[in-house]
Amino acid sequence: GAVVSQHPSRVICKSGTSVKIECRSLDFQATTMFWYRQFPKQSLMLMATSNEGSKATYEQGVEKDKFLINHASLTLSTLTVTSAHPEDSSFYICSARALSTGYLDQPQHFGDGTRLSIL
Amino acid sequence: DQQVKQNSPSLSVQEGRISILNCDYTNSMFDYFLWYKKYPAEGPTFLISISSIKDKNEDGRFTVFLNKSAKHLSLHIVPSQPGDSAVYFCAASAIQGAQKLVFGQGTRLTINP
Repeated sequence: GAVVSQHPSRVICKSGTSVKIECRSLDFQATTMFWYRQFPKQSLMLMATSNEGSKATYEQGVEKDKFLINHASLTLSTLTVTSAHPEDSSFYICSARALSTGYLDQPQHFGDGTRLSIL
Repeated sequence: DQQVKQNSPSLSVQEGRISILNCDYTNSMFDYFLWYKKYPAEGPTFLISISSIKDKNEDGRFTVFLNKSAKHLSLHIVPSQPGDSAVYFCAASAIQGAQKLVFGQGTRLTINP
């Protein structure tokens, strides 16, 4: 099945540090990747849609200068949390959808997430 | 505004019996529905999906039913196995929504031996 790799799985760092999270589709190409955030015991909330070769589309309330997204190739998207603060601590998950001719053909496949803890 | 709702936060089922997880939605533009299974500290794993042109889709022990008039879908797992214990999320998307998924809150399923 489709595999999405997310790295690192866990990050602990000091307040003010910038953290980069990578999301790779290992066995398929993805023009679109998605970044989600999950708070404890809550659902996944979409942060932004990452499009290869173009600017990301951010959901309402998500600061694009705080969460920088780069989708440099058909298999890699990165999320950089800039100048992270304790309130940015969360579980971040990416997903990717394989190239397809049909809208309904391919589900999104998720990485294993990154647990970010800002001290 | 919770467009996708899973009203049961938890469900406990005996091994071998049927597990039924429910999901309701409010946006009539949704045309693609998915179920994901999630373990702690891991990303969701895709289980099964259904498009709005169907009312049933089956894959092994998993069957998803869609009732568009009621804006309701359900996931049936039969027979239930201990390895099915996890949090299950339903998700929905609309073709106009650029493939964005809207998730429910999740239901924690526990299969008892």
